[in-house]
Amino acid sequence: SQKIEQNSEALNIQEGKTATLTCNYTNYSPAYLQWYRQDPGRGPVFLLLIRENEKEKRKERLKVTFDTTLKQSLFHITASQPADSATYLCALGVGGYNKLIFGAGTRLAVHP
Amino acid sequence: ETGVTQTPRHLVMGMTNKKSLKCEQHLGHNAMYWYKQSAKKPLELMFVYSLEERVENNSVPSRFSPECPNSSHLFLHLHTLQPEDSALYLCASSQAVTGPENHPHGYTFGSGTRLTVV
Repeated sequence: SQKIEQNSEALNIQEGKTATLTCNYTNYSPAYLQWYRQDPGRGPVFLLLIRENEKEKRKERLKVTFDTTLKQSLFHITASQPADSATYLCALGVGGYNKLIFGAGTRLAVHP
Repeated sequence: ETGVTQTPRHLVMGMTNKKSLKCEQHLGHNAMYWYKQSAKKPLELMFVYSLEERVENNSVPSRFSPECPNSSHLFLHLHTLQPEDSALYLCASSQAVTGPENHPHGYTFGSGTRLTVV
């Protein structure tokens, strides 16, 4: 069956450290993958997009990798801050019309 | 505001009521989407519209009826819902080329409508 797996347990880290979140998928062949941030009671906010022929993408303190052989994406936040605390969602681009299938998300808590 | 506005923000309705959710975007995007988000579950894709034409209906029960009168507005009409339909309903828009080929862009989501069915 098709699955997208993100750490269901919350990730707790100390301010200033690097947070690494994992997204694994099975029985999908996404042409691209996206990461979103979601705060409680709000809609997700787009962060980064990486295509299947790209290994790595960076934006400020964010870095995403995409390994189509391992069927995995890693999302890194360097020099993390308490304001980075949120739920982070990965989404696979499958089919046409920019259709996205989402994982359940990982909650990140950055402690001062 | 994100550029995608959803109203109302909260809605409580009885199982025999009829109500509508509204979504509006003025970003010039040509694709719009309805997603359902239940507690501790992934976002579930419900409907996809491209240039006002429905291109995906993800096995959604007929008690949910979408409408896209123009490229800026999207509605979700609700009738005879069940308590398990209580969830956060999210609208999103993006730029996508016409036709089935992929053209990746990030979505812009609204803040959602928190629906409670009693």
